[in-house]
Amino acid sequence: DTGVSQDPRHKITKRGQNVTFRCDPISEHNRLYWYRQTLGQGPEFLTYFQNEAQLEKSRLLSDRFSAERPKGSFSTLEIQRTEQGDSAMYLCASSFPLDGRVRYGYTFGSGTRLTVV
Amino acid sequence: KQEVTQIPAALSVPEGENLVLNCSFTDSAIYNLQWFRQDPGKGLTSLLLIQSSQREQTSGRLNASLDKSSGRSTLYIAASQPGDSATYLCAVSRIKAAGNKLTFGGGTRVLVKP
Repeated sequence: DTGVSQDPRHKITKRGQNVTFRCDPISEHNRLYWYRQTLGQGPEFLTYFQNEAQLEKSRLLSDRFSAERPKGSFSTLEIQRTEQGDSAMYLCASSFPLDGRVRYGYTFGSGTRLTVV
Repeated sequence: KQEVTQIPAALSVPEGENLVLNCSFTDSAIYNLQWFRQDPGKGLTSLLLIQSSQREQTSGRLNASLDKSSGRSTLYIAASQPGDSATYLCAVSRIKAAGNKLTFGGGTRVLVKP
């Protein structure tokens, strides 16, 4: 297992365009999280999945944002009609191994840096 | 609502000096506390995880303590090296049933000068 993978690493888009990011979690983990981090701040929770079910969404996640995790494997985060305020690092993380071992730490991916111009 | 604060926001020390990074949180009903390292433009690397029932965790030159009742954690890095230069973030999770989502502090940016 190579950890949590995110694609792309960087994305520059024009305001108003739609963008989609992908996250591949650690295969043994059943929980997947999305966080957003702006410059100089700590990450903020956006949403999380347990298997394929999206169990919670933050108020930060406006209706322009949608996340999916089909079949409980990889996840996508789509932002429609991007705005300059969406510029941030989008971080994905996974946790909770399926094998029942008690290990509640997070493993983060390298993030996708979005710049809206 | 849980709030996590890290002081100082930035720290510069000469190589070899010990680092002391502070984290405080307002709601003591935490499930665990995790310390992360973040290099510029990169993702987060987990350093130490302390369960709410523990008082400290150690890994190599790193030691983290947790005082849940006072809402504080401290990360000690012994004999700092230039390679320790990074931003250090602490994060707390609430009870397991709340999805174990993390609330982060703003981070402490550390510079270790050779």
